[in-house]
Amino acid sequence: DTGVSQDPRHKITKRGQNVTFRCDPISEHNRLYWYRQTLGQGPEFLTYFQNEAQLEKSRLLSDRFSAERPKGSFSTLEIQRTEQGDSAMYLCASSFGLEQFFGPGTRLTVL
Amino acid sequence: ELKVEQNPLFLSMQEGKNYTIYCNYSTTSDRLYWYRQDPGKSLESLFVLLSNGAVKQEGRLMASLDTKARLSTLHITAAVHDLSATYFCAVVISYGGSQGNLIFGKGTKLSVKP
Repeated sequence: DTGVSQDPRHKITKRGQNVTFRCDPISEHNRLYWYRQTLGQGPEFLTYFQNEAQLEKSRLLSDRFSAERPKGSFSTLEIQRTEQGDSAMYLCASSFGLEQFFGPGTRLTVL
Repeated sequence: ELKVEQNPLFLSMQEGKNYTIYCNYSTTSDRLYWYRQDPGKSLESLFVLLSNGAVKQEGRLMASLDTKARLSTLHITAAVHDLSATYFCAVVISYGGSQGNLIFGKGTKLSVKP
């Protein structure tokens, strides 16, 4: 399978715990995006990498959220001290040209 | 700030009927996208529209773009049950010529009934 992959697909955690999600983009895609989608809403942009450079991070929801793409390949999104309001689907997308291809998402439930 | 509005948000159609979903956006953007999302699934790319007057068709779906009016339409012809899904339009914000992130509408939940 050569599409965007995300791991884990589901994560249940208790409030206050830290969680980390991984995204593996399509090979050779130099751009990688993170979005969050809550129930009944469209995806909401969080942050964006071109190769290893994080070009936009002002939309990260709070300083509890951080993302990395250390070698310009896979990326991680970390949420520290999770809150119930963080429960959502976290989507990763990658692109090389005009089109963004989305992964299957990680569904986070914070109890 | 760029805003994207879709209407209707909910659409119940009978099989065989035609309908149009509208997508308005508030400021100039380089391009417009349409995605499909099935329940619990990720987003599937349907169309990328690049220029004023662009029209693309795939099966029973046809998308068009009017950049002057900042309006895109997704027209459904002779709907079938398999088209039931949520449809999102999205426009892109570019950074210094480099493609940036997508701003999505709230989506149109389409239900096609026999």
